[in-house]
Amino acid sequence: DTEVTQTPKHLVMGMTNKKSLKCEQHMGHRAMYWYKQKAKKPPELMFVYSYEKLSINESVPSRFSPECPNSSLLNLHLHALQPEDSALYLCASSLPGQVKDGYTFGSGTRLTVV
Amino acid sequence: AQSVAQPEDQVNVAEGNPLTVKCTYSVSGNPYLFWYVQYPNRGLQFLLKYITGDNLVKGSYGFEAEFNKSQTSFHLKKPSALVSDSALYFCAVRSYTGGFKTIFGAGTRLFVKA
Repeated sequence: DTEVTQTPKHLVMGMTNKKSLKCEQHMGHRAMYWYKQKAKKPPELMFVYSYEKLSINESVPSRFSPECPNSSLLNLHLHALQPEDSALYLCASSLPGQVKDGYTFGSGTRLTVV
Repeated sequence: AQSVAQPEDQVNVAEGNPLTVKCTYSVSGNPYLFWYVQYPNRGLQFLLKYITGDNLVKGSYGFEAEFNKSQTSFHLKKPSALVSDSALYFCAVRSYTGGFKTIFGAGTRLFVKA
Protein backbone atom coordinates (compact mmCIF):
# COMPACT_ATOMS: atom_id res chain seq x y z
CA ASP A 1 0.00 0.00 0.00
CA THR A 2 1.67 3.20 -1.17
CA GLU A 3 -1.15 5.63 -0.55
CA VAL A 4 -2.28 8.22 1.91
CA THR A 5 -6.07 8.12 2.23
CA GLN A 6 -8.02 11.18 3.35
CA THR A 7 -11.68 11.31 4.31
CA PRO A 8 -14.00 12.93 3.60
CA LYS A 9 -13.11 14.26 0.16
CA HIS A 10 -15.50 17.18 0.56
CA LEU A 11 -16.90 18.80 3.70
CA VAL A 12 -19.27 21.72 4.17
CA MET A 13 -19.66 22.93 7.73
CA GLY A 14 -21.19 25.82 9.57
CA MET A 15 -19.21 28.10 11.83
CA THR A 16 -20.68 26.48 14.95
CA ASN A 17 -20.11 22.88 13.85
CA LYS A 18 -17.52 20.40 15.06
CA LYS A 19 -16.06 18.07 12.47
CA SER A 20 -12.95 15.96 11.95
CA LEU A 21 -10.72 15.23 8.99
CA LYS A 22 -9.07 11.84 8.84
CA CYS A 23 -5.85 10.62 7.26
CA GLU A 24 -4.53 7.06 7.09
CA GLN A 25 -1.38 5.45 5.72
CA HIS A 26 0.05 1.94 5.93
CA MET A 27 3.53 2.55 4.53
CA GLY A 28 5.23 2.46 7.90
CA HIS A 29 5.89 6.18 7.75
CA ARG A 30 6.34 7.66 11.22
CA ALA A 31 6.16 11.34 10.24
CA MET A 32 2.81 12.80 9.27
CA TYR A 33 1.86 16.30 8.27
CA TRP A 34 -1.14 18.57 7.85
CA TYR A 35 -0.98 21.26 5.18
CA LYS A 36 -3.51 23.92 4.22
CA GLN A 37 -3.71 25.00 0.59
CA LYS A 38 -5.69 27.92 -0.73
CA ALA A 39 -6.55 28.10 -4.41
CA LYS A 40 -3.55 28.60 -6.70
CA LYS A 41 -1.20 28.88 -3.69
CA PRO A 42 1.48 26.54 -2.34
CA PRO A 43 0.70 24.26 0.59
CA GLU A 44 1.29 25.85 4.00
CA LEU A 45 2.54 23.65 6.81
CA MET A 46 0.22 23.44 9.83
CA PHE A 47 1.42 20.53 11.98
CA VAL A 48 4.09 17.83 12.01
CA TYR A 49 3.91 14.60 13.99
CA SER A 50 6.98 12.45 14.46
CA TYR A 51 6.54 9.05 16.10
CA GLU A 52 3.03 10.08 17.14
CA LYS A 53 4.25 13.17 18.97
CA LEU A 54 3.55 16.71 17.86
CA SER A 55 6.89 18.18 16.82
CA ILE A 56 5.89 21.30 14.89
CA ASN A 57 2.88 23.60 15.28
CA GLU A 58 3.13 26.52 12.89
CA SER A 59 1.20 28.90 15.14
CA VAL A 60 -2.10 27.49 13.97
CA PRO A 61 -5.26 28.86 15.66
CA SER A 62 -6.69 26.65 18.40
CA ARG A 63 -9.86 26.03 16.40
CA PHE A 64 -7.69 23.45 14.60
CA SER A 65 -6.71 20.56 16.87
CA PRO A 66 -4.53 17.72 15.56
CA GLU A 67 -4.44 14.21 16.94
CA CYS A 68 -2.29 11.21 16.11
CA PRO A 69 -3.88 8.19 17.83
CA ASN A 70 -1.44 5.67 16.33
CA SER A 71 1.30 5.36 13.74
CA SER A 72 -1.17 4.97 10.85
CA LEU A 73 -3.77 7.62 11.65
CA LEU A 74 -3.80 11.38 11.79
CA ASN A 75 -6.87 13.46 12.58
CA LEU A 76 -7.60 17.16 12.40
CA HIS A 77 -10.45 18.27 14.63
CA LEU A 78 -12.27 21.41 13.57
CA HIS A 79 -14.39 23.68 15.76
CA ALA A 80 -15.79 27.17 15.32
CA LEU A 81 -14.10 27.73 11.99
CA GLN A 82 -14.30 30.91 9.97
CA PRO A 83 -15.15 31.26 6.27
CA GLU A 84 -11.50 32.13 5.57
CA ASP A 85 -10.57 28.64 6.75
CA SER A 86 -12.14 27.25 3.58
CA ALA A 87 -9.33 25.49 1.71
CA LEU A 88 -7.93 22.15 0.59
CA TYR A 89 -6.46 20.33 3.58
CA LEU A 90 -3.70 17.95 2.67
CA CYS A 91 -2.21 15.16 4.72
CA ALA A 92 1.26 13.83 3.93
CA SER A 93 3.62 11.25 5.36
CA SER A 94 7.30 10.38 5.17
CA LEU A 95 10.03 8.49 6.95
CA PRO A 96 10.99 10.64 9.95
CA GLY A 97 14.44 12.08 10.13
CA GLN A 98 14.95 11.35 6.45
CA VAL A 99 15.48 14.81 5.06
CA LYS A 100 16.31 13.21 1.73
CA ASP A 101 12.88 11.67 1.12
CA GLY A 102 9.93 13.20 -0.64
CA TYR A 103 6.49 13.20 0.92
CA THR A 104 3.52 11.07 -0.04
CA PHE A 105 0.41 13.24 -0.14
CA GLY A 106 -3.23 12.34 0.12
CA SER A 107 -5.77 13.76 -2.33
CA GLY A 108 -7.00 16.19 0.29
CA THR A 109 -10.27 17.27 1.87
CA ARG A 110 -11.96 20.25 0.25
CA LEU A 111 -13.41 22.18 3.19
CA THR A 112 -16.03 24.90 2.82
CA VAL A 113 -17.06 26.89 5.89
CA VAL A 114 -20.41 28.63 5.57
CA ALA B 1 16.21 30.83 6.30
CA GLN B 2 15.16 28.63 3.43
CA SER B 3 13.29 29.97 0.43
CA VAL B 4 12.25 28.86 -3.02
CA ALA B 5 11.36 31.05 -5.98
CA GLN B 6 9.45 30.05 -9.08
CA PRO B 7 9.63 33.16 -11.24
CA GLU B 8 6.92 32.18 -13.72
CA ASP B 9 3.24 31.97 -12.78
CA GLN B 10 2.49 30.12 -16.02
CA VAL B 11 4.44 28.41 -18.76
CA ASN B 12 2.86 27.76 -22.14
CA VAL B 13 4.31 25.22 -24.55
CA ALA B 14 3.12 23.36 -27.61
CA GLU B 15 2.78 19.59 -27.47
CA GLY B 16 5.97 17.89 -28.63
CA ASN B 17 8.17 20.85 -27.76
CA PRO B 18 10.64 20.81 -24.87
CA LEU B 19 9.53 22.44 -21.63
CA THR B 20 11.36 24.09 -18.74
CA VAL B 21 9.89 25.18 -15.44
CA LYS B 22 12.27 27.34 -13.44
CA CYS B 23 13.18 27.19 -9.76
CA THR B 24 15.82 28.93 -7.68
CA TYR B 25 16.51 28.37 -4.02
CA SER B 26 18.23 29.83 -1.01
CA VAL B 27 19.31 27.58 1.86
CA SER B 28 22.08 27.29 4.43
CA GLY B 29 24.11 24.17 3.92
CA ASN B 30 23.44 21.45 1.40
CA PRO B 31 20.00 21.60 -0.21
CA TYR B 32 17.65 18.72 -0.82
CA LEU B 33 15.47 19.74 -3.73
CA PHE B 34 12.18 18.29 -4.92
CA TRP B 35 9.61 18.73 -7.64
CA TYR B 36 5.95 17.89 -7.15
CA VAL B 37 3.02 18.02 -9.57
CA GLN B 38 -0.59 18.73 -8.66
CA TYR B 39 -3.58 17.97 -10.84
CA PRO B 40 -6.91 19.72 -10.18
CA ASN B 41 -8.54 18.79 -6.88
CA ARG B 42 -5.77 16.33 -6.07
CA GLY B 43 -2.87 16.16 -3.67
CA LEU B 44 0.73 16.70 -4.70
CA GLN B 45 2.61 13.89 -6.41
CA PHE B 46 6.36 13.51 -5.98
CA LEU B 47 8.22 13.74 -9.32
CA LEU B 48 11.92 13.73 -8.50
CA LYS B 49 14.57 14.85 -6.05
CA TYR B 50 18.17 15.97 -5.92
CA ILE B 51 20.20 14.81 -2.95
CA THR B 52 23.78 14.54 -4.16
CA GLY B 53 25.75 13.20 -7.09
CA ASP B 54 24.87 13.79 -10.73
CA ASN B 55 23.50 17.22 -11.42
CA LEU B 56 20.94 15.81 -13.85
CA VAL B 57 18.20 13.92 -12.02
CA LYS B 58 15.64 11.77 -13.79
CA GLY B 59 12.16 11.28 -12.40
CA SER B 60 8.64 10.13 -13.17
CA TYR B 61 6.75 10.58 -16.46
CA GLY B 62 9.90 11.49 -18.43
CA PHE B 63 10.71 14.56 -16.36
CA GLU B 64 14.23 15.49 -15.36
CA ALA B 65 15.79 18.36 -13.44
CA GLU B 66 19.18 19.99 -13.55
CA PHE B 67 20.87 21.11 -10.34
CA ASN B 68 23.18 24.09 -10.74
CA LYS B 69 24.97 24.97 -7.53
CA SER B 70 26.58 28.17 -8.78
CA GLN B 71 23.25 29.54 -9.98
CA THR B 72 21.32 27.98 -7.05
CA SER B 73 18.80 26.64 -9.54
CA PHE B 74 16.90 23.40 -10.01
CA HIS B 75 14.94 23.71 -13.25
CA LEU B 76 12.46 21.04 -14.29
CA LYS B 77 12.66 19.86 -17.88
CA LYS B 78 11.07 17.46 -20.31
CA PRO B 79 12.27 16.89 -23.89
CA SER B 80 8.79 16.54 -25.39
CA ALA B 81 5.69 17.92 -23.66
CA LEU B 82 2.33 16.15 -23.59
CA VAL B 83 -1.10 17.74 -23.17
CA SER B 84 -1.50 15.52 -20.11
CA ASP B 85 1.49 17.29 -18.50
CA SER B 86 -0.71 20.35 -17.99
CA ALA B 87 -0.83 20.84 -14.23
CA LEU B 88 0.53 22.91 -11.34
CA TYR B 89 4.19 22.28 -10.53
CA PHE B 90 5.84 23.02 -7.19
CA CYS B 91 9.53 23.18 -6.42
CA ALA B 92 10.47 22.50 -2.79
CA VAL B 93 13.58 22.58 -0.61
CA ARG B 94 14.62 20.97 2.64
CA SER B 95 17.86 21.07 4.60
CA TYR B 96 19.20 19.75 7.87
CA THR B 97 19.23 23.29 9.18
CA GLY B 98 15.54 23.54 8.28
CA GLY B 99 14.64 20.41 10.19
CA PHE B 100 11.52 18.63 9.05
CA LYS B 101 10.12 21.62 7.21
CA THR B 102 9.65 21.48 3.47
CA ILE B 103 9.39 24.92 1.91
CA PHE B 104 7.36 25.07 -1.31
CA GLY B 105 7.65 27.60 -4.09
CA ALA B 106 4.58 29.51 -5.21
CA GLY B 107 3.93 27.08 -8.03
CA THR B 108 3.99 27.32 -11.83
CA ARG B 109 1.04 26.38 -13.96
CA LEU B 110 2.10 24.49 -17.07
CA PHE B 111 -0.25 24.63 -20.04
CA VAL B 112 0.54 22.34 -22.96
CA LYS B 113 -1.39 23.14 -26.12
CA ALA B 114 -2.25 20.42 -28.63
